[in-house]
Amino acid sequence: DAKTTQPNSMESNEEEPVHLPCNHSTISGTDYIHWYRQLPSQGPEYVIHGLTSNVNNRMASLAIAEDRKSSTLILHRATLRDAAVYYCILRDGGGGSNYKLTFGKGTLLTVNP
Amino acid sequence: GAGVSQTPSNKVTEKGKYVELRCDPISGHTALYWYRQSLGQGPEFLIYFQGTGAADDSGLPNDRFFAVRPEGSVSTLKIQRTERGDSAVYLCASSPDPSSYNEQFFGPGTRLTVL
Repeated sequence: DAKTTQPNSMESNEEEPVHLPCNHSTISGTDYIHWYRQLPSQGPEYVIHGLTSNVNNRMASLAIAEDRKSSTLILHRATLRDAAVYYCILRDGGGGSNYKLTFGKGTLLTVNP
Repeated sequence: GAGVSQTPSNKVTEKGKYVELRCDPISGHTALYWYRQSLGQGPEFLIYFQGTGAADDSGLPNDRFFAVRPEGSVSTLKIQRTERGDSAVYLCASSPDPSSYNEQFFGPGTRLTVL
């Protein structure tokens, strides 16, 4: 699986937008970009995924660069419940071992009241 | 609806003992995964089941680790002769099928402590 690079930690204030970056310069044409988050003492939770176009859902938005070498997870209004570790993961849509999620260390997001 | 459940939530054992960790996936999900998470790290893949068979067990660290899913639903991860280095949170996940655009649904994990 292609590697991703994320900042170790980020800090935000409640009710402000948060932009979590992810670099994946070696992404292949069939790799999907997935984001999961892990709240304290819980299992990871799916957030969003995309291939080429920007995506929105009730939790977040995913902005994908035109060359697909980077992406940004956007939380439009951070709440204290959004404090978690956020993982950016590439999954091969072309077959192979695409069932595996390969987690890095992720970004620890702290939300200040 | 019910999510993925794992039992026990915590397990403390002594070095050398045998342990079993159980995972109940979401009903109807054919794909089941086990991951292990050490302190301060992201989860690491251990094994993947499609139905009853282990389609990929390449992440199991050694032959002390074994997992089964005899009826294609509940899965058990078995660890023989536990070592202190086995201490971690063991996570189970399931998905309707293994395709790359399907999310995996994770359980809360079992925290294993080997003394």
